[in-house]
Amino acid sequence: GQQLNQSPQSMFIQEGEDVSMNCTSSSIFNTWLWYKQDPGEGPVLLIALYKAGELTSNGRLTAQFGITRKDSFLNISASIPSDVGIYFCAGPARGSARQLTFGSGTQLTVLP
Amino acid sequence: DVKVTQSSRYLVKRTGEKVFLECVQDMDHENMFWYRQDPGLGLRLIYFSYDVKMKEKGDIPEGYSVSREKKERFSLILESASTNQTSMYLCASSYGTLGSYTFGSGTRLTVV
Repeated sequence: GQQLNQSPQSMFIQEGEDVSMNCTSSSIFNTWLWYKQDPGEGPVLLIALYKAGELTSNGRLTAQFGITRKDSFLNISASIPSDVGIYFCAGPARGSARQLTFGSGTQLTVLP
Repeated sequence: DVKVTQSSRYLVKRTGEKVFLECVQDMDHENMFWYRQDPGLGLRLIYFSYDVKMKEKGDIPEGYSVSREKKERFSLILESASTNQTSMYLCASSYGTLGSYTFGSGTRLTVV
């Protein structure tokens, strides 16, 4: 079945460091979404990507839609304590025009 | 902004009880979803609905049912709660095809 492989599973970084995470798909996507889930809350949409090669920023966050359309990357610059949480990638589920499929998430911990 | 409201943030129920988790969205979204989230397992789809009175099974529907009598409300029902249903439950809604999801804040259910 369709799979989204998200890596790394977890990261421990020092405050001020940059962070990179990625997501790969077994099939071609025409949309990539990145969500963040704060502890004890529901995921919130950070960035949406709709075109291969697209690079989109949201403050200190930058996401890219891979040229192959099978991967996407999220970078966080100069991390701060409130960046702590789980980051999910998502894309259209195979065979469905309304469902998303999600990666397993990257748990980010920022150390002071 | 679309708001998705889940009726309870925390819930403790006894084994064998019938449990209702309510979700209401306020932006006329036709698509609604129920997920459960467990450590290391990511987001798993329980049920979804694309219209009033319409429901479809997701990846893990066993032990659950749903109800969608009104467009804005999607209820998840645990017919006879069991301890292995202790989890974080997330409701989401979206508009049209390939729309990004808006999630509720989640209900953390503990079955004792």
